Amino acid sequence: GQQLNQSPQSMFIQEGEDVSMNCTSSSIFNTWLWYKQDPGEGPVLLIALYKAGELTSNGRLTAQFGITRKDSFLNISASIPSDVGIYFCAGLTGGTSYGKLTFGQGTILTVHP
Amino acid sequence: GAGVSQSPSNKVTEKGKDVELRCDPISGHTALYWYRQSLGQGLEFLIYFQGNSAPDKSGLPSDRFSAERTGGSVSTLTIQRTQQEDSAVYLCASSRGWNQPQHFGDGTRLSIL
Repeated sequence: GQQLNQSPQSMFIQEGEDVSMNCTSSSIFNTWLWYKQDPGEGPVLLIALYKAGELTSNGRLTAQFGITRKDSFLNISASIPSDVGIYFCAGLTGGTSYGKLTFGQGTILTVHP
Repeated sequence: GAGVSQSPSNKVTEKGKDVELRCDPISGHTALYWYRQSLGQGLEFLIYFQGNSAPDKSGLPSDRFSAERTGGSVSTLTIQRTQQEDSAVYLCASSRGWNQPQHFGDGTRLSIL
């Protein structure tokens, strides 16, 4: 089946540093989504990407949909303590898979004040 | 309500019992999804509803799992004869359509003793 390889698995950074994480796949995706999950809560949508090459920002977050449609990255600039959480990439292929999202394994982000 | 609502938030039950989990999607969202998240893992797709029908049930792990959706709104996920490996967080999401971003509830944390 389809798999998304997300890296790194975890990151420990100082407040104010920039962060980068990415997802790659052997399959093509038509939509890439990035979610953040806090303990005891469901994932919250951060950014949605719909076109190959698309670069989208949401505040301090920037994400890109890779040209090959097989990868995406998420950058967080000037990290703050509330950025702590687990970040997931997710891909949507469409077609007979309809709305089935395939998720990466997550990146655990820790920010030291 | 404004977001996806799931109940109960926590459920502890004995092995062999049946459990029923409920999801109330965002008003107007025609697509509804169930996912399962095991400790420290990404999300695993279970089933997708468009209206009251389920075009994709491919993720249901066994015939002990079933789901229904009535009136194009509330959905219930039923697990019969629960096993310890069923312990996980069960997340529900909804979207305006299958190719639109999915918004998640906070999940039901199921523990099988």
